[in-house]
Amino acid sequence: AQSVAQPEDQVNVAEGNPLTVKCTYSVSGNPYLFWYVQYPNRGLQFLLKYITGDNLVKGSYGFEAEFNKSQTSFHLKKPSALVSDSALYFCAVRDLSSGGYQKVTFGTGTKLQVIP
Amino acid sequence: NAGVTQTPKFQVLKTGQSMTLQCAQDMNHNSMYWYRQDPGMGLRLIYYSASEGTTDKGEVPNGYNVSRLNKREFSLRLESAAPSQTSVYFCASSLSDYNEQFFGPGTRLTVL
Repeated sequence: AQSVAQPEDQVNVAEGNPLTVKCTYSVSGNPYLFWYVQYPNRGLQFLLKYITGDNLVKGSYGFEAEFNKSQTSFHLKKPSALVSDSALYFCAVRDLSSGGYQKVTFGTGTKLQVIP
Repeated sequence: NAGVTQTPKFQVLKTGQSMTLQCAQDMNHNSMYWYRQDPGMGLRLIYYSASEGTTDKGEVPNGYNVSRLNKREFSLRLESAAPSQTSVYFCASSLSDYNEQFFGPGTRLTVL
């Protein structure tokens, strides 16, 4: 069975400071990892994904994520936070190694609050 | 391109009433999904359609039915609404189940 954990319900960061939103995962095979963002009263928007290759993945709006296989983590990062980054962030995982259809499992979300 | 569209945006039902949530995508995606989002629970998959002509149950299918009408449209039906179905419902689509998903704006459903 696959699972994903976002250990922080909320992350507060000052505008201009670097931000990190944490995610750890568990799959039986190789992971396919995603980050999505949800602004209030909107659907989720895709930010970035990791399948294979470079462990540092760059995505939309200046976000990046670092895949760490030994720590089974895929933390979302941004060098300098903006107030407009305030939103709900979801990590998601899919097991690449299983045959047939495999659903994507979403984390419970982390609310990012960027303080002016 | 409109992306993924959902109707209605809001709905209030009484216990026992039925309704259908509509979803359409114009991206020529093969896979479509219905999720519900509840506080502290993240997104839970209700039903999915890996390709046109197929549908399968997700994590929480009880009380729901779906129809993949064609490649563009995937509807979710509540036959007899219950207060436990009060939630925000999202439709999503992807080129295949190996690709990122694109989400609609959601339907806020309240069952009294």
